[in-house]
Amino acid sequence: EVQLVESGGGLVQPGRSPRLSCTTSGFTFGDYTLNWVRQAPGEGLEWVGFIRSLAYGGTTKYAASVKGRFTISRDDSKSIAYLQLNSLKTEDTAMYYCTRDTGLLGRPDAFDVWGQGTFLTVS
Amino acid sequence: SYVLTQPPSVSVAPGQAARIACGGNSIETKSVHWYQQKPGQAPVLVVYDDSDRPSGIPERFSGSNSGSTATLTISRVEAGDEADYYCQVWDGSSDHVVFGGGTKLTVL
Repeated sequence: EVQLVESGGGLVQPGRSPRLSCTTSGFTFGDYTLNWVRQAPGEGLEWVGFIRSLAYGGTTKYAASVKGRFTISRDDSKSIAYLQLNSLKTEDTAMYYCTRDTGLLGRPDAFDVWGQGTFLTVS
Repeated sequence: SYVLTQPPSVSVAPGQAARIACGGNSIETKSVHWYQQKPGQAPVLVVYDDSDRPSGIPERFSGSNSGSTATLTISRVEAGDEADYYCQVWDGSSDHVVFGGGTKLTVL
């Protein structure tokens, strides 16, 4: 069974730098682009960023709202993706989801598997 | 940056068809994906690449994409279809992923 499990959320103070983890199983992690998506309470889905597979350079892209503050990385040997959050603001309070991207040839596509999310409160 | 526009809400009676629009500039040139999110749950992919359904998704869910509007159609709506629905694309010019603002489907 394909699974993505996020962890690392909780209550943090503004300006702190926690790291979220996305631990995966049931598929060949290294073949896939991984995305992070967040959802503030009562709000819609917001794409945070993605990291391509190493076959496509492991390149990363970020939403303008987090660029320069958040960093996505991956450890293919452990099948884990990370979201490093720096310079946190209260408006970063949200549920953070890790998702598997079905895209081929490094081109992002649909997100076919989602984790259950980890909630981060910045206060 | 690329923008996707969805109506905030759609209401439909049980057994009728619900149509949820997703507007974007030349959206027909992009692959549109749709997600269903019920309260307290993670989103679920219900339509990908404009009109394909993942395994396990009922045939009642279908999609289309033409001109400046993509549409998710749910035929013979059931109470269990009540949820928020989001469209999503990849914008190749910016290499960014974009979500629509979401539509709350209410089954009357």
